Amino acid sequence: ILNVEQSPQSLHVQEGDSTNFTCSFPSSNFYALHWYRWETAKSPEALFVMTLNGDEKKKGRISATLNTKEGYSYLYIKGSQPEDSATYLCAQAGNQFYFGTGTSLTVIP
Amino acid sequence: NAGVMQNPRHLVRRRGQEARLRCSPMKGHSHVYWYRQLPEEGLKFMVYLQKENIIDESGMPKERFSAEFPKEGPSILRIQQVVRGDSAAYFCASSPQTSSMSLAEQYFGPGTRLTVT
Repeated sequence: ILNVEQSPQSLHVQEGDSTNFTCSFPSSNFYALHWYRWETAKSPEALFVMTLNGDEKKKGRISATLNTKEGYSYLYIKGSQPEDSATYLCAQAGNQFYFGTGTSLTVIP
Repeated sequence: NAGVMQNPRHLVRRRGQEARLRCSPMKGHSHVYWYRQLPEEGLKFMVYLQKENIIDESGMPKERFSAEFPKEGPSILRIQQVVRGDSAAYFCASSPQTSSMSLAEQYFGPGTRLTVT
């Protein structure tokens, strides 16, 4: 069983602020890292799939980086908006997916 | 363009009864995954299936739980003789055929909330 950890557990930011949070995972036997956004009363929605050390992916105001040698990924949100409020999950993928417990983001208007 | 469908959305069962949870993958997707989310916990992998094949069931409890994905029809997660500890949200996800499961982008259903009384 892989131990995927996310921090912080929850975060409140003001509209317009930029923010970031962390996903830590075991660096051995790494295959891929996935980020998902999970809005309340909806299903998790895929954001990024990352495989290579040093990978950086971007979708609008959201971006992510990956460091497979030290076992972490950062998710950044630039200029947070209320609609960014959600739980952000990461999962390390190998022969199965190991999810972290998520970072709950609330953006205050 | 229907997404992943799960039914029922809510299911109440008494202890000892059977629970059957259904998942219809997105059109064109041949892989299905089942996850369980216990209260205050994250998503835990249970099983990964292709049509008529269980690929990996390492996350499934050894007793009372089974899953299938027949050639025709939805994938079914079956829990026999339910106990209170089975109360949880059960999510399925689907993905298209890929060269590696670890790269597959999964599309999640809305979940089934099982309550055992």
